Amino acid sequence: GAVVSQHPSRVICKSGTSVKIECRSLDFQATTMFWYRQFPKQSLMLMATSNEGSKATYEQGVEKDKFLINHASLTLSTLTVTSAHPEDSSFYICSARDTRGNEQFFGPGTRLTVL
Amino acid sequence: GIQVEQSPPDLILQEGANSTLRCNFSDSVNNLQWFHQNPWGQLINLFYIPSGTKQNGRLSATTVATERYSLLYISSSQTTDSGVYFCAAPATSGTYKYIFGTGTRLKVLA
Repeated sequence: GAVVSQHPSRVICKSGTSVKIECRSLDFQATTMFWYRQFPKQSLMLMATSNEGSKATYEQGVEKDKFLINHASLTLSTLTVTSAHPEDSSFYICSARDTRGNEQFFGPGTRLTVL
Repeated sequence: GIQVEQSPPDLILQEGANSTLRCNFSDSVNNLQWFHQNPWGQLINLFYIPSGTKQNGRLSATTVATERYSLLYISSSQTTDSGVYFCAAPATSGTYKYIFGTGTRLKVLA
């Protein structure tokens, strides 16, 4: 149990386009999901907290107009990278907290490459 | 907010060896997890361990919350243990958003 999926696993896009990444909790409901970014050989950095039915909260330094988050249901959060640029190329990982306990489970990640 | 540091940053082991990874955190925590990130980037849950000791096969973990550290023990290491090990704790008390440690990159040689 406690499986989190992400789609797509890998995406390559041209500079200036927008990319949407989906994060789903497959066998549990998640009122809160989290989005992280990881650059090569670095740790995970929290970008934002996605709250079902309300606005996301963003960490300091993360542009909310660039990284749009929508948490429309208890099992789905989406991250849209708008007007992507090469510096947005990174590994994006979502997590969801299983409210039956306090443990968080992570998706397999999405590798974004912006040309 | 909390700071989470891990040591050592890199570790090379011969297959069959034992090792201890350490996670220090700057503030008290009520929640802590250990993860293994495999070569494809997937984070695999190892332990949810805010305090005490847990064991799962060749792995065990101990968190001493009062002294602000956690240890991950790997016994009889295997090549499949290679990857990066992270600990993570809540950014502030009462929240579930995690701050990740700096990671320990482990390579187990056959």
